[in-house]
Amino acid sequence: EPEVTQTPSHQVTQMGQEVILRCVPISNHLYFYWYRQILGQKVEFLVSFYNNEISEKSEIFDDQFSVERPDGSNFTLKIRSTKLEDSAMYFCASNKEQFTGELFFGEGSRLTVL
Amino acid sequence: KNEVEQSPQNLTAQEGEFITINCSYSVGISALHWLQQHPGGGIVSLFMLSSGKKKHGRLIATINIQEKHSSLHITASHPRDSAVYICAVPYNTDKLIFGTGTRLQVFP
Repeated sequence: EPEVTQTPSHQVTQMGQEVILRCVPISNHLYFYWYRQILGQKVEFLVSFYNNEISEKSEIFDDQFSVERPDGSNFTLKIRSTKLEDSAMYFCASNKEQFTGELFFGEGSRLTVL
Repeated sequence: KNEVEQSPQNLTAQEGEFITINCSYSVGISALHWLQQHPGGGIVSLFMLSSGKKKHGRLIATINIQEKHSSLHITASHPRDSAVYICAVPYNTDKLIFGTGTRLQVFP
């Protein structure tokens, strides 16, 4: 069964460091998303991406965050200068159709900022 | 803003029991998602539905669009069903708003 893969599964970094989280969505999917979940809290939307550009982003997704799809397969989330409050589980997701397609999630990347 | 409320927050059951988890939302939607989050953190999509009822194995999801309410039922619950069950609905576009989740523990 096709799946969304994320790397790394866990990353520990120092405050102020840059972090890149990587995702390989399902190959024929067109819509890509990053969500995050702070420990003990709800999952929150960060950004959606379609046709090589951001289609929507949340208030959380400030100038410190960026996404790109550099090679047509990987979908990356970059945090330029990490803060303690960026510690969370980050989920990548993808689907084939925007409103009616089933959403497939990766296993998540746990980011710990010290 | 579309608020999503789930109940109960926590649920314990004996193996074999019939489980119901409820989800209410505040504005009209195109579809509602039921998701399962494993103890390790991974999220799996269980259902996406926009009307009526869907069934997959021992799982049944129903939605009442007029009442803005959905339920997830698990028949003959098993310890391996222990997980957090999350309801999520789209807000404006395809961005999902998630409920807080229902933590289910099924004991043998």
